[in-house]
Amino acid sequence: SYELTQPPSVSVSPRQTARITCSGDALPKQYAYWYQQKPGQAPVLVIYKDSERPSGIPERFSGSSSGTTVTLTISGVQAEDEADYYCQSADSSGTYVFGTGTKVTVL
Amino acid sequence: EVQLVESGGGLVQPGGSQRLSCAASGFSFRTYWMSWVRQAPGKGLEWVATIKQDGSEKYYVDSVKGRFTISRDNAQNSLSLQMNSLRAEDTAVYYCAKLVRDEDGHWFDPWGQGTLVTVSS
Repeated sequence: SYELTQPPSVSVSPRQTARITCSGDALPKQYAYWYQQKPGQAPVLVIYKDSERPSGIPERFSGSSSGTTVTLTISGVQAEDEADYYCQSADSSGTYVFGTGTKVTVL
Repeated sequence: EVQLVESGGGLVQPGGSQRLSCAASGFSFRTYWMSWVRQAPGKGLEWVATIKQDGSEKYYVDSVKGRFTISRDNAQNSLSLQMNSLRAEDTAVYYCAKLVRDEDGHWFDPWGQGTLVTVSS
């Protein structure tokens, strides 16, 4: 399997924009997915197939892809967005990998 | 409303066994792949195992191959994970998740609330 690398932490002021990157060699060939996990809670899907937003997820969450890097963008960050964020992808052998995780702190 | 409720966690000695269960409701369980994902205390997410709708295909992360077995009972809408030869490094919260697969993507949605397995003497 392969690895997905994320920055350990991102800090952002309220109403500013947070960008979280996820890098992996397989990302040009496989879609990426993003999950938000708040303390003591299960992960929640916030972006699928690089840039699609599930119903119920606020519009301030968006995703993009370029080469071996995908990016989760949170525009107009709110205090409630403080959480850990994980990217995820699949490989062709039926296995799955998660990124190393990024802690988003709202200052 | 889709619900996944895990049970069966607890304290187990190294080398011991534990069986986790996940009760599914609110969707057509028999038509979805299902998975287990774990998270060690203070660590990130790790995919553990996946099973096809009819149980004919199963996949595991290398670290649990030969020790863990994923299974399902479509009549009971339940998913299980039999864990044998447990090690301290298997200590984690274990999440049950519905695996959504289409022609070009695979993702986990939703997740259960998790059950904690602690391997310690």
